[in-house]
Amino acid sequence: QQQVKQSPQSLIVQKGGISIINCAYENTAFDYFPWYQQFPGKGPALLIAIRPDVSEKKEGRFTISFNKSAKQFSLHIMDSQPGDSATYFCAASSAGNQFYFGTGTSLTVIP
Amino acid sequence: DTGVSQNPRHKITKRGQNVTFRCDPISEHNRLYWYRQTLGQGPEFLTYFQNEAQLEKSRLLSDRFSAERPKGSFSTLEIQRTEQGDSAMYLCASSLARDPVNEQFFGPGTRLTVL
Repeated sequence: QQQVKQSPQSLIVQKGGISIINCAYENTAFDYFPWYQQFPGKGPALLIAIRPDVSEKKEGRFTISFNKSAKQFSLHIMDSQPGDSATYFCAASSAGNQFYFGTGTSLTVIP
Repeated sequence: DTGVSQNPRHKITKRGQNVTFRCDPISEHNRLYWYRQTLGQGPEFLTYFQNEAQLEKSRLLSDRFSAERPKGSFSTLEIQRTEQGDSAMYLCASSLARDPVNEQFFGPGTRLTVL
């Protein structure tokens, strides 16, 4: 079964807008929640990650919001730029063992 | 370049043939992961190594798939008797296992096409 559920499947945002991608999980043993960015023909690249002992982490224009009780976490991209157009994956793992990825969100930022 | 490298980048083979892919991780990384990614999907975990020990293998992984990391450095993934359903991007990632950070760095992948 899908261990990490991601939505939406695709997202179109105007330049300067906020992009929001959501993920949900069931396994309470997960202790590491990264977000990856992938461009066509490339491997995923780590964007930002969070552990469940904090509710928010911000790095530049990228913020993860984490809700432990709801078992949900989301990625917010502020001031979205055309260069942010890519596919984004959330993931989860326990003790760095098997990583479970969401199905991805294709983001298009319109100039 | 000190990133993760994978070879070959592309492989086209006929159904029934065997193929082998190689991954060279970042030199000091002791963990190495293999994933498979099909179009429009997220990476699917196949297996991972810590040093030369294979610690976990996906239950979805067919017996036709085998991976090795003989000296705890590079790794190979072999697919025997390939099937058209094996067509996918095969990704390798490496990390340095330490608490609390376990950042994975991905290679560019090997795209396999089975005719």
